[in-house]
Amino acid sequence: DGGITQSPKYLFRKEGQNVTLSCEQNLNHDAMYWYRQDPGQGLRLIYYSQIVNDFQKGDIAEGYSVSREKKESFPLTVTSAQKNPTAFYLCASTPSGRAFDSYEQYFGPGTRLTVT
Amino acid sequence: QKEVEQNSGPLSVPEGAIASLNCTYSDRGSQSFFWYRQYSGKSPELIMFIYSNGDKEDGRFTAQLNKASQYVSLLIRDSQPSDSATYLCAVGQNTGNQFYFGTGTSLTVIP
Repeated sequence: DGGITQSPKYLFRKEGQNVTLSCEQNLNHDAMYWYRQDPGQGLRLIYYSQIVNDFQKGDIAEGYSVSREKKESFPLTVTSAQKNPTAFYLCASTPSGRAFDSYEQYFGPGTRLTVT
Repeated sequence: QKEVEQNSGPLSVPEGAIASLNCTYSDRGSQSFFWYRQYSGKSPELIMFIYSNGDKEDGRFTAQLNKASQYVSLLIRDSQPSDSATYLCAVGQNTGNQFYFGTGTSLTVIP
């Protein structure tokens, strides 16, 4: 089955620790995205990547880092510099990373991160 | 800042009624428009997308787009209790392949 997988589903960390969230897709999609969702809120873009070895900051990139070494993988690291890391993190992908293309986004199941 | 606005609700409709969800957007350069359904604790699921002015129907769902008014809506006919969820409006730009989401409208269908 084609799709987007995120792991783990739930993640607990102590404050001050870095943590990496996994996102893998076998849809052969070019573009991948990371969003953060807080209770009662919409999705806010953290980082996105339109092509391997390239990525851009979204609206709330501070305290996060990403890599895109492979087309199918786009891991997100939540660093200790992120002041309020507890949230629901969603990974998404679209078929094309080209500008002027409009494609719908497909989402993974999400990772709920709790930092205490 | 590219804004996408939705009424947060909650919107309650009786089973079998039509639910109407609305969304406005600020960037006239927006090219693509999406409606997602999100159940509590789950990830968003794509319901409809629309690119051209007018109506687009898929089963019980109809998306309506009016680019002049910068307005997109979703109608759900014959609402079912299983339609109870939060509905997210998303707008896509034609540059940079970015998407902007509204905060969602909570819909409850009462049996």
